[in-house]
Amino acid sequence: AQSVTQLDSQVPVFEEAPVELRCNYSSSVSVYLFWYVQYPNQGLQLLLKYLSGSTLVKGINGFEAEFNKSQTSFHLRKPSVHISDTAEYFCAVKANFGNEKLTFGTGTRLTIIP
Amino acid sequence: SQTIHQWPATLVQPVGSPLSLECTVEGTSNPNLYWYRQAAGRGLQLLFYSVGIGQISSEVPQNLSASRPQDRQFILSSKKLLLSDSGFYLCAWSEGSYSNQPQHFGDGTRLSIL
Repeated sequence: AQSVTQLDSQVPVFEEAPVELRCNYSSSVSVYLFWYVQYPNQGLQLLLKYLSGSTLVKGINGFEAEFNKSQTSFHLRKPSVHISDTAEYFCAVKANFGNEKLTFGTGTRLTIIP
Repeated sequence: SQTIHQWPATLVQPVGSPLSLECTVEGTSNPNLYWYRQAAGRGLQLLFYSVGIGQISSEVPQNLSASRPQDRQFILSSKKLLLSDSGFYLCAWSEGSYSNQPQHFGDGTRLSIL
């Protein structure tokens, strides 16, 4: 089974500052990794995914994430945030075979301070 | 392109009343379908998933049930709602044949039990 830990439940950041949202996972097998964003009262939207290949993955809205196998991490970063980035961010992991289910972290609430 | 529809967007129900939430997917065939619940300030809890018509797997024992009467239709039901059933319910789908495909979410139903 897989598990995901999002170390920060809330992250306040000033507008135009950089941000990093941390995600660590645990798994005995190789995995696929995903970041989702949830705006208030909406469903989850896929930001980016790591399946294989390059460990630096670029997604929508200027976000990127780096897969680090030795540290079992998949941290999300953005060099300059905007007010519109205020949302909840979820990291998720699934085993890279079969029809395994997606396991989500508990989420990080990103608040942008004007 | 594929789309997912979930309704209603909001629902207020008295304790003990029945429930029916519907989710449909367009633009794909034989998707995997999922129902999640998100309690206030918490992560996502997988309730049910389905890999085909009439095939339902339950993740958490509760007074909810799910059905898949058609390939792209997923219904969440209850005969008698409890106060603890309040929450944000999300339907999701993924490509059935490929384990590396992400899940795509509907806009959710906010359920309040009085």
